[in-house]
Amino acid sequence: EVQLVESGGGLVQPGRSLRLSCAASGFTFDDYAMHWVRQAPGKGLEWVSGIIWNSGTIGYADSVKGRFTISRDNAKNSLYLQMNSLRAEDTAFYYCAKDSSGYTSSWYYFDYWGQGTLVTVSS
Amino acid sequence: EIVLTQSPGTLSLSPGERATLSCRASQSVSSSYLAWYQQKPGQAPRLLIYGASSRATGIPDRFSGSGSGTDFTLTIGRLEPEDFAVYYCQQYGRSPLTFGGGTKVEIK
Repeated sequence: EVQLVESGGGLVQPGRSLRLSCAASGFTFDDYAMHWVRQAPGKGLEWVSGIIWNSGTIGYADSVKGRFTISRDNAKNSLYLQMNSLRAEDTAFYYCAKDSSGYTSSWYYFDYWGQGTLVTVSS
Repeated sequence: EIVLTQSPGTLSLSPGERATLSCRASQSVSSSYLAWYQQKPGQAPRLLIYGASSRATGIPDRFSGSGSGTDFTLTIGRLEPEDFAVYYCQQYGRSPLTFGGGTKVEIK
């Protein structure tokens, strides 16, 4: 059974940093691209960042480019999101999502999602 | 980026009725790379449809997807009580990946 478990969320002041983690199990992690998708409370879904299986291709939404960094550790079956210079508009549930594709340099759709971790940016 | 516009914003229907949800793209979505997700309150989204018309594993056949180019449709044949939720479309034909704003299907 595929499981994705996010951690690291919490309350943080504007301008500060936070690092999210996602622990994956139930599939061959290093075969697949992975993503972070966020959802502000009561709002819709927004793709934040993606990373292919070997970290060779990485992408970001314009709203986080230059502030967020995605990474993965295939030996630990883990995905990360380093979030710097946080803003109030970054307040959201952050979901870790598995890409449906393996061993490609492109992204596709999300076939499994974690339950999310809430990041609140407020003074 | 490809902007996806979903309509209507809210659909009020009774159990047993048919639901038709629309997703329109600002540019053609290559290879019909369009997916649909269902999200219930307090839960993560769940994949329903990929490739515009292929059902994901375990999805009942009352859910069907159609369309190509810029116009896509999700149809729920006969609404069951558990189908009342928010539905999102997502394109993966071009980066950045983008989602529509969602359609809420509520009980009338």
